[in-house]
Amino acid sequence: GAVVSQHPSRVICKSGTSVKIECRSLDFQATTMFWYRQFPKQSLMLMATSNEGSKATYEQGVEKDKFLINHASLTLSTLTVTSAHPEDSSFYICSAREPRGDEKLFFGSGTQLSVL
Amino acid sequence: QQQVKQSPQSLIVQKGGISIINCAYENTAFDYFPWYQQFPGKGPALLIAIRPDVSEKKEGRFTISFNKSAKQFSLHIMDSQPGDSATYFCAALEYGNKLVFGAGTILRVKS
Repeated sequence: GAVVSQHPSRVICKSGTSVKIECRSLDFQATTMFWYRQFPKQSLMLMATSNEGSKATYEQGVEKDKFLINHASLTLSTLTVTSAHPEDSSFYICSAREPRGDEKLFFGSGTQLSVL
Repeated sequence: QQQVKQSPQSLIVQKGGISIINCAYENTAFDYFPWYQQFPGKGPALLIAIRPDVSEKKEGRFTISFNKSAKQFSLHIMDSQPGDSATYFCAALEYGNKLVFGAGTILRVKS
């Protein structure tokens, strides 16, 4: 299946700093990528839909100024958590859809963010 | 609003047994139903998926049963193995819209 690479897999940062997470589709071009957040033992919560060349679409309740999404190319989307606080600590996962007409969605390996 | 209801929340199965996880939905516009497997600290991996025009799909030890009239679908894991121990998520998609996930089922297969 298609491969989606996410980096870093784990990051620890101080409160107030910004953290960037990268998501790359390695063997296909993804016009749309998705960013999820997952708390321990809970389901995935969609944060935003990232569209190549245009602004991201954020889900209700997600602060667009805190979670900056950039989809500058067909293979790369980035999520920047700005001025991180301990409550932003979570598991962040990206996904991308193959542009073949079916609905298969492939996920990255996730990034565990810990804000001290 | 939970659009896809998944049960049970957790499941313990003996090695070699059958694991069954159930999901129900309300939105009849959903037309794609995938199952994902997630290990701790990893992203979800697509396991198997079905469309509503078939009632069953089998891939190896994994089978999806789909009941369109009841708006229910289930995952059966035959000959369950300790390596199958993971969290399983059902999901549903309406074409052009976002994927909706169930709450997840933590499966533990005892050896």
